[in-house]
Amino acid sequence: AQTVTQSQPEMSVQEAETVTLSCTYDTSESNYYLFWYKQPPSRQMILVIRQEAYKQQNATENRFSVNFQKAAKSFSLKISDSQLGDTAMYFCAFMKHDSGQNFVFGPGTRLSVLP
Amino acid sequence: DTEVTQTPKHLVMGMTNKKSLKCEQHMGHRAMYWYKQKAKKPPELMFVYSYEKLSINESVPSRFSPECPNSSLLNLHLHALQPEDSALYLCASSRWGGNTEAFFGQGTRLTVV
Repeated sequence: AQTVTQSQPEMSVQEAETVTLSCTYDTSESNYYLFWYKQPPSRQMILVIRQEAYKQQNATENRFSVNFQKAAKSFSLKISDSQLGDTAMYFCAFMKHDSGQNFVFGPGTRLSVLP
Repeated sequence: DTEVTQTPKHLVMGMTNKKSLKCEQHMGHRAMYWYKQKAKKPPELMFVYSYEKLSINESVPSRFSPECPNSSLLNLHLHALQPEDSALYLCASSRWGGNTEAFFGQGTRLTVV
């Protein structure tokens, strides 16, 4: 079975600064996908960024980028130029290839962006 | 339209009641999901429907009964629930297979009294 660990239950960052959220996972699969989802107080889960395990290049979406280390089974999220709207719970998620879309979520990191 | 719409947003029900949660999407997605999320915890998968057929049931008690009447609708029928079933129930949809984004609704906050 797959497990996802996020070792930082809570973090805070000053507006306009950079913050990195950690995620590690355990799997014996070779083909899989990794995601970061955010859940603001509105409760809706929103995709931030995704990474295919077979791609060595780290994914980037505007201010969001990942550091994917497949051998170390690490998938951290870097948020640059933090904004107040980035305040949310952030969940790292794992999905096996052809698994029926069965996401395995980590426990989450609560990020607060301070003015 | 990238919306997944869930109704109602809030629901309070007694342990002897029968109620239903509704989820709707018009993105042509053929996979739909129900997740349960307790406070300060990640979502936990309950059911997955692919092409209107139940493909995954994560050992959910029979007091939760999913239904997928067509490719756009997903229901969750509730009966004889317990107070510990109080949670946020999230619906999601996606294309079927591989690297694909799941779109989530805003959830139904369920309280069982």
